[in-house]
Amino acid sequence: DQQVKQNSPSLSVQEGRISILNCDYTNSMFDYFLWYKKYPAEGPTFLISISSIKDKNEDGRFTVFLNKSAKHLSLHIVPSQPGDSAVYFCAASVQGGAQKLVFGQGTRLTINP
Amino acid sequence: ETGVTQSPTHLIKTRGQQVTLRCSSQSGHNTVSWYQQALGQGPQFIFQYYREEENGRGNFPPRFSGLQFPNYSSELNVNALELDDSALYLCASSLGLEETQYFGPGTRLLVL
Repeated sequence: DQQVKQNSPSLSVQEGRISILNCDYTNSMFDYFLWYKKYPAEGPTFLISISSIKDKNEDGRFTVFLNKSAKHLSLHIVPSQPGDSAVYFCAASVQGGAQKLVFGQGTRLTINP
Repeated sequence: ETGVTQSPTHLIKTRGQQVTLRCSSQSGHNTVSWYQQALGQGPQFIFQYYREEENGRGNFPPRFSGLQFPNYSSELNVNALELDDSALYLCASSLGLEETQYFGPGTRLLVL
């Protein structure tokens, strides 16, 4: 039972353009959502998070949008840079904390020059 | 400041053996969680330790066990290894139960 789903295994975007990564969830008890980025041979690195009481959170080039009615969140990266090429994981938790995370399968983002 | 470190980086075991993986938390972090990441999948929560006590467990059998030490470093033990235990094992530490987790690079375990 996959409670957090990232339906696109890969995404290719031109440098300077917007990258949009999508994530869907099924468990309505989730109330905190996070995005992590992972480079090969490294552990996941925290990028940005959002509480279920908000619908948008911005941090520099990264913006996360949450649509609770659709049980959908997305990560926007603008402008995309070559260093953004990595695997991106969406994660969710209950009880409002950044712990005991349920992860999606990941989306491999490739930024082309 | 040293980040989360894990040892060993790679390990090969045979079915039925036992394995111990180690994790050193980031300085000052009292909470450690372990995750299993199978190939092509996202990390899956195994369990969490807070101040040396287990504080939550995912859907993993009892042959997966852990310890957290007074210095907040941690071990993951897996008994009676199965082929499906082959995965990347990630350790994550945080300042507290609600705080952002910082992941180590992982230990890649191969069970033959």
